[in-house]
Amino acid sequence: ETGVTQSPTHLIKTRGQQVTLRCSSQSGHNTVSWYQQALGQGPQFIFQYYREEENGRGNFPPRFSGLQFPNYSSELNVNALELDDSALYLCASSPQRGGAYEQYFGPGTRLTVT
Amino acid sequence: AQSVTQPDIHITVSEGASLELRCNYSYGATPYLFWYVQSPGQGLQLLLKYFSGDTLVQGIKGFEAEFKRSQSSFNLRKPSVHWSDAAEYFCAVIHTTGNQFYFGTGTSLTVIP
Repeated sequence: ETGVTQSPTHLIKTRGQQVTLRCSSQSGHNTVSWYQQALGQGPQFIFQYYREEENGRGNFPPRFSGLQFPNYSSELNVNALELDDSALYLCASSPQRGGAYEQYFGPGTRLTVT
Repeated sequence: AQSVTQPDIHITVSEGASLELRCNYSYGATPYLFWYVQSPGQGLQLLLKYFSGDTLVQGIKGFEAEFKRSQSSFNLRKPSVHWSDAAEYFCAVIHTTGNQFYFGTGTSLTVIP
């Protein structure tokens, strides 16, 4: 069984640019959540997708957007990058939405904005 | 507002010594409680979780945690630490029907021989 995978592993972008991060969920999982983890901090919830629909959003501006595809893989898009967007972006998949279901985390994408 | 506090930013213990990592939460009701571990360059791995029932829960790698409702705490313990336990540890809570984890800021564990 393949776990959660994310691509790319590392990424360097310039302020003002746009970036797309990708996540392949674990087989059989229909729910994907995205988190931002700044250096020295705990992960912060960005949003969750359940069966291709957004199912909750954290305190992030609209320039953070996402998609979930029919195969339940997902993308995180960030427009107009700012220096503070530099962080580790984590994707987590779970078999169903709701707190009772374990979220399985991928290794993350390290984004550096210069 | 929901919050998770891990008061110890960094802890150093000797290999073989016991370990306790503290976690306190503020939540409207008893949430589900979790401990995750993160090694450098890695994602988060679940150590254990508490939903209900017995307040002492066992996890992987010899870890356990105790839920104390009166103290709003969920402290992680291990009787004998191994060098491979050096990592960042995160406490997290989620509402029973919720979609987002609230994480603490983490405790970095160093193990000295």
